[in-house]
Amino acid sequence: DVKVTQSSRYLVKRTGEKVFLECVQDMDHENMFWYRQDPGLGLRLIYFSYDVKMKEKGDIPEGYSVSREKKERFSLILESASTNQTSMYLCASSLGGAKNIQYFGAGTRLSVL
Amino acid sequence: AQTVTQSQPEMSVQEAETVTLSCTYDTSENNYYLFWYKQPPSRQMILVIRQEAYKQQNATENRFSVNFQKAAKSFSLKISDSQLGDTAMYFCAFMGTTSGTYKYIFGTGTRLKVLA
Repeated sequence: DVKVTQSSRYLVKRTGEKVFLECVQDMDHENMFWYRQDPGLGLRLIYFSYDVKMKEKGDIPEGYSVSREKKERFSLILESASTNQTSMYLCASSLGGAKNIQYFGAGTRLSVL
Repeated sequence: AQTVTQSQPEMSVQEAETVTLSCTYDTSENNYYLFWYKQPPSRQMILVIRQEAYKQQNATENRFSVNFQKAAKSFSLKISDSQLGDTAMYFCAFMGTTSGTYKYIFGTGTRLKVLA
Protein backbone atom coordinates (compact mmCIF):
# COMPACT_ATOMS: atom_id res chain seq x y z
CA ASP A 1 0.00 0.00 0.00
CA VAL A 2 1.06 3.52 -0.72
CA LYS A 3 1.90 5.41 2.40
CA VAL A 4 2.02 9.16 2.75
CA THR A 5 3.11 10.19 6.20
CA GLN A 6 2.80 13.64 7.69
CA SER A 7 5.01 14.25 10.67
CA SER A 8 2.39 15.75 12.98
CA ARG A 9 -1.38 15.34 13.34
CA TYR A 10 -1.76 18.42 15.52
CA LEU A 11 0.49 21.43 15.89
CA VAL A 12 0.13 24.62 17.92
CA LYS A 13 2.42 27.54 17.13
CA ARG A 14 2.73 31.19 18.01
CA THR A 15 2.35 34.08 15.61
CA GLY A 16 5.65 34.88 13.95
CA GLU A 17 7.19 31.44 14.45
CA LYS A 18 8.76 29.56 11.56
CA VAL A 19 6.84 26.34 11.03
CA PHE A 20 7.91 23.21 9.17
CA LEU A 21 5.40 20.60 8.01
CA GLU A 22 7.00 17.41 6.76
CA CYS A 23 5.63 14.83 4.35
CA VAL A 24 7.19 11.55 3.29
CA GLN A 25 5.93 9.05 0.71
CA ASP A 26 7.23 5.54 0.18
CA MET A 27 6.14 4.77 -3.39
CA ASP A 28 8.75 6.61 -5.43
CA HIS A 29 6.12 9.04 -6.74
CA GLU A 30 7.32 11.89 -8.92
CA ASN A 31 4.62 14.36 -7.88
CA MET A 32 3.98 15.75 -4.45
CA PHE A 33 1.44 18.35 -3.34
CA TRP A 34 0.54 20.52 -0.38
CA TYR A 35 -3.09 21.54 0.10
CA ARG A 36 -4.90 23.61 2.63
CA GLN A 37 -8.39 22.49 3.66
CA ASP A 38 -10.87 24.97 5.14
CA PRO A 39 -14.61 24.51 5.76
CA GLY A 40 -16.67 25.70 2.83
CA LEU A 41 -13.60 26.22 0.66
CA GLY A 42 -12.63 22.64 -0.09
CA LEU A 43 -8.99 21.90 -0.84
CA ARG A 44 -6.78 24.61 -2.24
CA LEU A 45 -3.38 23.89 -3.70
CA ILE A 46 -0.48 25.72 -2.08
CA TYR A 47 2.55 24.27 -3.90
CA PHE A 48 3.44 21.19 -5.86
CA SER A 49 6.58 19.51 -7.10
CA TYR A 50 7.25 17.30 -10.11
CA ASP A 51 10.75 16.28 -9.22
CA VAL A 52 13.53 16.79 -6.75
CA LYS A 53 14.36 20.48 -6.33
CA MET A 54 11.46 21.40 -8.62
CA LYS A 55 8.52 23.39 -7.31
CA GLU A 56 5.54 25.20 -8.74
CA LYS A 57 3.16 27.64 -7.11
CA GLY A 58 -0.39 26.56 -6.66
CA ASP A 59 -3.41 28.76 -6.10
CA ILE A 60 -2.51 30.19 -2.68
CA PRO A 61 1.29 30.26 -2.28
CA GLU A 62 1.53 33.54 -0.37
CA GLY A 63 3.09 33.13 3.04
CA TYR A 64 4.39 29.64 2.25
CA SER A 65 7.49 28.08 0.75
CA VAL A 66 8.46 24.47 0.05
CA SER A 67 11.52 22.29 -0.17
CA ARG A 68 12.09 19.02 -1.98
CA GLU A 69 15.67 17.89 -1.52
CA LYS A 70 14.86 14.18 -1.80
CA LYS A 71 12.27 12.48 -3.95
CA GLU A 72 10.37 11.01 -1.03
CA ARG A 73 10.17 14.16 1.11
CA PHE A 74 8.27 17.40 0.55
CA SER A 75 8.32 20.08 3.23
CA LEU A 76 5.98 23.02 3.64
CA ILE A 77 7.41 26.05 5.41
CA LEU A 78 5.54 28.92 6.99
CA GLU A 79 8.21 31.58 7.24
CA SER A 80 6.34 33.66 9.81
CA ALA A 81 3.13 32.01 10.94
CA SER A 82 0.00 34.13 11.15
CA THR A 83 -3.40 33.41 12.65
CA ASN A 84 -5.00 33.23 9.19
CA GLN A 85 -2.81 30.21 8.48
CA THR A 86 -4.68 28.20 11.08
CA SER A 87 -6.01 25.32 9.00
CA MET A 88 -5.80 21.65 8.06
CA TYR A 89 -2.85 20.90 5.79
CA LEU A 90 -2.89 17.86 3.55
CA CYS A 91 0.04 16.36 1.67
CA ALA A 92 -0.45 14.12 -1.36
CA SER A 93 1.66 12.26 -3.88
CA SER A 94 1.09 10.68 -7.28
CA LEU A 95 2.82 9.13 -10.22
CA GLY A 96 3.22 11.30 -13.29
CA GLY A 97 0.29 11.49 -15.66
CA ALA A 98 -3.15 13.01 -15.43
CA LYS A 99 -4.97 9.73 -14.90
CA ASN A 100 -2.98 8.80 -11.84
CA ILE A 101 -4.71 9.26 -8.55
CA GLN A 102 -3.33 11.18 -5.63
CA TYR A 103 -2.63 9.49 -2.31
CA PHE A 104 -3.14 11.64 0.74
CA GLY A 105 -1.60 11.85 4.16
CA ALA A 106 -3.71 12.01 7.31
CA GLY A 107 -3.33 15.77 7.56
CA THR A 108 -1.83 18.21 10.03
CA ARG A 109 -4.18 20.46 11.93
CA LEU A 110 -2.23 23.63 12.60
CA SER A 111 -3.35 26.25 15.08
CA VAL A 112 -1.53 29.57 15.13
CA LEU A 113 -2.18 31.57 18.29
CA ALA B 1 -10.41 28.60 -15.79
CA GLN B 2 -11.80 25.30 -14.67
CA THR B 3 -14.22 25.24 -11.77
CA VAL B 4 -15.91 22.47 -9.82
CA THR B 5 -19.19 23.06 -7.99
CA GLN B 6 -20.76 20.89 -5.33
CA SER B 7 -24.07 22.50 -4.47
CA GLN B 8 -24.99 20.28 -1.52
CA PRO B 9 -22.94 21.18 1.57
CA GLU B 10 -24.61 18.50 3.69
CA MET B 11 -26.77 15.46 3.08
CA SER B 12 -28.11 12.58 5.08
CA VAL B 13 -29.43 9.17 4.13
CA GLN B 14 -30.87 6.22 5.98
CA GLU B 15 -28.78 3.11 6.17
CA ALA B 16 -29.43 0.76 3.20
CA GLU B 17 -30.94 3.57 1.12
CA THR B 18 -29.51 5.18 -2.01
CA VAL B 19 -28.13 8.70 -2.17
CA THR B 20 -26.80 10.83 -5.02
CA LEU B 21 -24.22 13.57 -4.60
CA SER B 22 -24.06 16.13 -7.35
CA CYS B 23 -21.07 17.77 -8.98
CA THR B 24 -20.85 20.10 -11.95
CA TYR B 25 -17.74 21.47 -13.57
CA ASP B 26 -16.73 23.93 -16.20
CA THR B 27 -13.93 23.40 -18.70
CA SER B 28 -13.07 24.01 -22.32
CA GLU B 29 -10.95 20.87 -22.52
CA ASN B 30 -12.14 17.75 -24.28
CA ASN B 31 -9.96 15.22 -22.50
CA TYR B 32 -9.86 15.19 -18.74
CA TYR B 33 -10.39 13.06 -15.66
CA LEU B 34 -12.96 13.31 -12.91
CA PHE B 35 -12.67 11.84 -9.44
CA TRP B 36 -14.66 11.39 -6.28
CA TYR B 37 -12.66 11.27 -3.07
CA LYS B 38 -13.93 10.33 0.38
CA GLN B 39 -12.60 11.78 3.64
CA PRO B 40 -13.95 9.89 6.67
CA PRO B 41 -13.91 11.72 10.01
CA SER B 42 -10.31 12.05 11.23
CA ARG B 43 -9.05 9.70 8.54
CA GLN B 44 -7.15 9.97 5.29
CA MET B 45 -8.78 10.98 2.05
CA ILE B 46 -9.09 8.08 -0.35
CA LEU B 47 -10.22 7.65 -3.93
CA VAL B 48 -13.75 6.39 -4.42
CA ILE B 49 -14.06 6.35 -8.17
CA ARG B 50 -12.49 7.79 -11.32
CA GLN B 51 -13.98 8.61 -14.74
CA GLU B 52 -12.09 9.30 -17.93
CA ALA B 53 -13.91 11.84 -20.08
CA TYR B 54 -13.34 10.02 -23.34
CA LYS B 55 -15.13 6.94 -21.99
CA GLN B 56 -18.89 7.11 -22.40
CA GLN B 57 -19.52 4.25 -20.01
CA ASN B 58 -20.13 5.32 -16.44
CA ALA B 59 -17.57 4.08 -13.94
CA THR B 60 -18.70 1.68 -11.22
CA GLU B 61 -16.96 0.43 -8.09
CA ASN B 62 -19.11 -1.95 -6.06
CA ARG B 63 -21.83 0.17 -4.41
CA PHE B 64 -20.49 3.39 -5.93
CA SER B 65 -21.34 4.52 -9.44
CA VAL B 66 -21.30 7.76 -11.34
CA ASN B 67 -23.64 9.44 -13.77
CA PHE B 68 -21.31 11.23 -16.16
CA GLN B 69 -23.02 13.65 -18.52
CA LYS B 70 -20.25 15.19 -20.59
CA ALA B 71 -22.39 17.64 -22.53
CA ALA B 72 -24.02 18.89 -19.35
CA LYS B 73 -20.67 18.85 -17.50
CA SER B 74 -22.20 16.89 -14.69
CA PHE B 75 -20.59 14.12 -12.63
CA SER B 76 -22.81 12.81 -9.84
CA LEU B 77 -21.97 10.02 -7.42
CA LYS B 78 -24.55 7.42 -6.47
CA ILE B 79 -24.08 5.36 -3.34
CA SER B 80 -26.32 2.31 -3.16
CA ASP B 81 -27.14 0.37 -0.02
CA SER B 82 -25.60 3.08 2.15
CA GLN B 83 -23.59 1.91 5.13
CA LEU B 84 -22.61 3.69 8.34
CA GLY B 85 -19.01 3.59 7.14
CA ASP B 86 -19.98 5.78 4.19
CA THR B 87 -20.33 8.74 6.57
CA ALA B 88 -17.67 11.13 5.31
CA MET B 89 -16.88 14.29 3.44
CA TYR B 90 -16.99 13.68 -0.31
CA PHE B 91 -15.01 15.79 -2.74
CA CYS B 92 -15.41 15.95 -6.49
CA ALA B 93 -12.22 16.74 -8.40
CA PHE B 94 -11.27 17.62 -11.97
CA MET B 95 -7.93 17.15 -13.67
CA GLY B 96 -7.29 18.51 -17.13
CA THR B 97 -4.74 17.11 -19.52
CA THR B 98 -3.75 20.00 -21.74
CA SER B 99 -1.95 22.30 -19.34
CA GLY B 100 0.90 19.86 -18.71
CA THR B 101 0.43 20.13 -14.99
CA TYR B 102 -1.26 17.52 -12.85
CA LYS B 103 -3.31 19.74 -10.62
CA TYR B 104 -6.65 18.82 -9.23
CA ILE B 105 -9.44 21.35 -9.05
CA PHE B 106 -11.55 20.36 -6.04
CA GLY B 107 -15.12 21.18 -5.21
CA THR B 108 -16.05 22.47 -1.76
CA GLY B 109 -17.26 19.08 -0.60
CA THR B 110 -20.49 17.43 0.55
CA ARG B 111 -20.73 16.14 4.10
CA LEU B 112 -22.72 12.91 4.04
CA LYS B 113 -24.16 11.36 7.16
CA VAL B 114 -25.59 7.85 7.07
CA LEU B 115 -28.26 7.38 9.72
CA ALA B 116 -28.87 4.10 11.51
